Order: sequence, then structure tokens, then C-alpha cells
Amino acid sequence: AQKITQTQPGMFVQEKEAVTLDCTYDTSDPSYGLFWYKQPSSGEMIFLIYQGSYDQQNATEGRYSLNFQKARKSANLVISASQLGDSAMYFCAMREARADSSYKLIFGSGTRLLVRP
Amino acid sequence: DAMVIQNPRYQVTQFGKPVTLSCSQTLNHNVMYWYQQKSSQAPKLLFHYYDKDFNNEADTPDNFQSRRPNTSFCFLDIRSPGLGDAAMYLCATSRGRTLNTEAFFGQGTRLTVV
Repeated sequence: AQKITQTQPGMFVQEKEAVTLDCTYDTSDPSYGLFWYKQPSSGEMIFLIYQGSYDQQNATEGRYSLNFQKARKSANLVISASQLGDSAMYFCAMREARADSSYKLIFGSGTRLLVRP
Repeated sequence: DAMVIQNPRYQVTQFGKPVTLSCSQTLNHNVMYWYQQKSSQAPKLLFHYYDKDFNNEADTPDNFQSRRPNTSFCFLDIRSPGLGDAAMYLCATSRGRTLNTEAFFGQGTRLTVV
């Protein structure tokens, strides 16, 4: 079963505007962590933001914020004031406690964001 | 300064010829992961180490092996590369086995099989 679903294979946004990248997840465990990573064309995965399942407030890191709706199992990334350098692949990922204690990090299929000047 | 370093960045190997990819880290993290990422797909976990404890994913082919001689280094060995093994291979580290620990990634090795 798909654990992390990103339904937008590609998105466009105008420079300086805000954009929301969708992510839904599936878990029966009450304890889990949600991450967003950015992957530029160079290939490196860059950590952006983290949300814990017990966190009361939505996470924010600079221009990045996470719209966490626990009941709907969604963790959408909001990028405010888009910049040309934001053009990249964006991956949503989840870490959950496993029986073997491995805390595996599982990725969604990603959204390619293109920022237009 | 790069904290997770993968060498080489680009590797071309012949069909069936063994190849080794390397990863080193300066973070002194317990956990090291190897992911395979094919074009426009999600990274897929192959295996990981917690210290010297090796954890293989159930669907990782036997063709893929790994070694971790010490905390800083980890190697991915592909015994007989096939055309389907052409991909980006990502190494990552994390501080421990907790939910909120982010993973730090290297820049990846892009493997081409000819």
C-alpha cells in the first residue's frame, strides 16, 4: 500500500507568489515524523522542514511552512514568496517506528516545481 | 563543508562488471542508508546500518551488497550490474533511531551501465 502520496507530478508558480505542494500519508501508528526534502537538478536531497505527529503547531522554517492536518493525514508544504532557485523536485517523507526499530524513512513520488520569472 | 560525501559523482560500468560506490561522513552518525533513485521516481531504500548492525530491505536484490568497515565509511557493491540498475544512488546518515531525526544526504552517484 502506498504510504506517502503526492498527487501533483508537476507544478508551476509565478515568482514571488506562494505555492502549496500536497502530501497525504497512511499510517496506523500514533507516533511518526513527516519531512519535506528538496532535490535540485544536482541530485542532493536537502532537508527543509519537519513535523512530528504530536506537535500542536504547524512547523515553519523561513519561507517554508507545513500545513499539518492530522485527521485528514495530510502534510502540505507551503512555500511563500517563491524564488527562481526554488525550482526543483520536492519530496514528502515519513518516518515511523517499526517492529525492528529501524525507523525507516519512506518517500513519496515527488512534485516537480517550476518557478516562472 | 560537505558532511556526507559520495564518490564518484558519476560512474560508468559495463554490464556484469562489479562496481563499488563509496560514501563517507564527518557527522559521526550511527545510521547510514543507501537509496536507489531511478529517473523521476521516489528514492527507494536498499538497506541501512545502525552502527554495525545491517538491515536489508526485503525486496533488495541479492546483487546488491554493502559494507561498513567503520563509522565513517560505507560501501555499496553491485556484483553484476544490469541495465536496470542504472540509477542515482544516494547515501544518507542520521544521528540515531528516532522519529524526528533528519537524514543528511550526499550528492549521489549517478550510475550508468553500458
